[in-house]
Amino acid sequence: GAGVSQSPSNKVTEKGKDVELRCDPISGHTALYWYRQSLGQGLEFLIYFQGNSAPDKSGLPSDRFSAERTGGSVSTLTIQRTQQEDSAVYLCASSSLGARETQYFGPGTRLLVL
Amino acid sequence: QKEVEQNSGPLSVPEGAIASLNCTYSDRGSQSFFWYRQYSGKSPELIMFIYSNGDKEDGRFTAQLNKASQYVSLLIRDSQPSDSATYLCAVENYGGSQGNLIFGKGTKLSVKP
Repeated sequence: GAGVSQSPSNKVTEKGKDVELRCDPISGHTALYWYRQSLGQGLEFLIYFQGNSAPDKSGLPSDRFSAERTGGSVSTLTIQRTQQEDSAVYLCASSSLGARETQYFGPGTRLLVL
Repeated sequence: QKEVEQNSGPLSVPEGAIASLNCTYSDRGSQSFFWYRQYSGKSPELIMFIYSNGDKEDGRFTAQLNKASQYVSLLIRDSQPSDSATYLCAVENYGGSQGNLIFGKGTKLSVKP
């Protein structure tokens, strides 16, 4: 169907609050990725889900960050006790095993922690 | 630590010229290579992928791959101001963690009218 969707598109929160970011991958894609991109910087890998396998959490910057993927589709990235340095664009991507790992990105969520 | 290296730029070319974007990678086992374009404030979008040594052409874009030299490039012919963006090279993360692609930090291209 449609491409990868993310919500909200923008989020402003106060330091110390928790936030949840949502990603809806392309239908049928088994792999889902979360990245973070600070202003003018490259993509920072956060976490990777592949089918029913245990997620690769090796990129999560601290234990304040967690993610889950329910039913092999929608994913939620949660940041607890947000800090100002968490301000960035959070990008979600999905891919299909049959497509040689081509990743398709959503529009991102712009997070600003005041 | 697997790495994908790109010159950060900015690379400035006049309109109508050929823009050449280069990328080197450290993992000899990688088999798939991708170029993404990212406009300012937007998310990356796939331009091309290449799997075999040699050239692959798609319109004004040509991807070139040399696995022996661990080098992949993107040529943009007849560059247009609308091509001004950051170009990300991505390489298959063969047998590794952190997902299936390793991204370079990108080269910023500016096409001057």
